[in-house]
Amino acid sequence: AQTVTQSQPEMSVQEAETVTLSCTYDTSESDYYLFWYKQPPSRQMILVIRQEAYKQQNATENRFSVNFQKAAKSFSLKISDSQLGDAAMYFCAHASTNFGNEKLTFGTGTRLTIIP
Amino acid sequence: NAGVTQTPKFQVLKTGQSMTLQCAQDMNHNSMYWYRQDPGMGLRLIYYSASEGTTDKGEVPNGYNVSRLNKREFSLRLESAAPSQTSVYFCASLRTSGSLETQYFGPGTRLLVL
Repeated sequence: AQTVTQSQPEMSVQEAETVTLSCTYDTSESDYYLFWYKQPPSRQMILVIRQEAYKQQNATENRFSVNFQKAAKSFSLKISDSQLGDAAMYFCAHASTNFGNEKLTFGTGTRLTIIP
Repeated sequence: NAGVTQTPKFQVLKTGQSMTLQCAQDMNHNSMYWYRQDPGMGLRLIYYSASEGTTDKGEVPNGYNVSRLNKREFSLRLESAAPSQTSVYFCASLRTSGSLETQYFGPGTRLLVL
């Protein structure tokens, strides 16, 4: 079974600065997906970024980028130029590549506070 | 597109009561999922449905039943609610684009069992 660990329950960052959220995972699979989801106070789960394990290049979406270290089973999220709207819970998640049958395993989340 | 919709948004039940949480998606996705989120935890999978007419257990299925009524709708039923089922429930559907798969979530249903 897969496990996902987020060791930082809470993080804070000054507005406009950069912050990195950590995530490690455990899996015996060689091919899989990794995700970061954002959950603002509205509780809506919003996909931030995804990474396919077979891709060596780190995914980037505007101010969000990941550092994917497959051998170390590490998948950190970097948020650049932090904005007040980035304040939320961030969840790291793993999914097997079982096409059409994908099941997500989530970490326990990191609460990110943005300091004006 | 409305995406994934869930009803109700909030519900209070007494122990032993039953209810059904409704979920619908208008994106023509095959796979749908039910998760629960408890304080301080990530989402945990209750049940999923890879296609119309099929359902499978996830990590925490005890106390729940599901029905995949058609391709659009996937309902979650609590036959006899217990306080341990107080949680926020999320429905999701799976978008497949070539080799890429991504789950999209509904807004959640907050359930309080007294």
